[in-house]
Amino acid sequence: AQSVTQLDSHVSVSEGTPVLLRCNYSSSYSPSLFWYVQHPNKGLQLLLKYTSAATLVKGINGFEAEFKKSETSFHLTKPSAHMSDAAEYFCVVSSRGSTLGRLYFGRGTQLTVWP
Amino acid sequence: SAVISQKPSRDICQRGTSLTIQCQVDSQVTMMFWYRQQPGQSLTLIATANQGSEATYESGFVIDKFPISRPNLTFSTLTVSNMSPEDSSIYLCSVGGGAAGANYGYTFGSGTRLTVV
Repeated sequence: AQSVTQLDSHVSVSEGTPVLLRCNYSSSYSPSLFWYVQHPNKGLQLLLKYTSAATLVKGINGFEAEFKKSETSFHLTKPSAHMSDAAEYFCVVSSRGSTLGRLYFGRGTQLTVWP
Repeated sequence: SAVISQKPSRDICQRGTSLTIQCQVDSQVTMMFWYRQQPGQSLTLIATANQGSEATYESGFVIDKFPISRPNLTFSTLTVSNMSPEDSSIYLCSVGGGAAGANYGYTFGSGTRLTVV
């Protein structure tokens, strides 16, 4: 079975400071892992994805995530937060090789960026 | 990646009525999914829309309440039937390439924000 746990429902940082959004996963198969961002009143946008290549994945807008199999984690980081990063972030897992390919969403982390 | 047009973007409906949401994709896709996002919650998969056959529903969702059509590889509809205030949510269409989608991610529509009064 597949599942995702986002350890923080809310994260607040000051502009210019680092961002860390934590995600742990559970998967019966080799997982694919994603981070999606949802800005207010907007659709979901794919930030980055891990699909068994490099364990450190770089995404859009300066975000990156590191796949750590031993810790079953896929934390999202950014060195310096920007006001425009304020949004809801979802960690998502899927089973690679599954013909259905469905996604399993974490509950989301609301990121607030203070000026 | 595919471009999705989802309509309507929002609606306010009376309880007891039904609303049909449309999802149009600019290219043929293998998999189409419908999700619900209740206020302050994460996304929950309602069903997988299968082309030419009945949709596959997740636990807790039934065809009578959420009938789905998928007449071809670029279009699907979700109907929310006999609505109550508890159906107030954002409904999202998602598309992907099955195993390829599992590998490379899915594209989501901008969602339909439904308010039932």
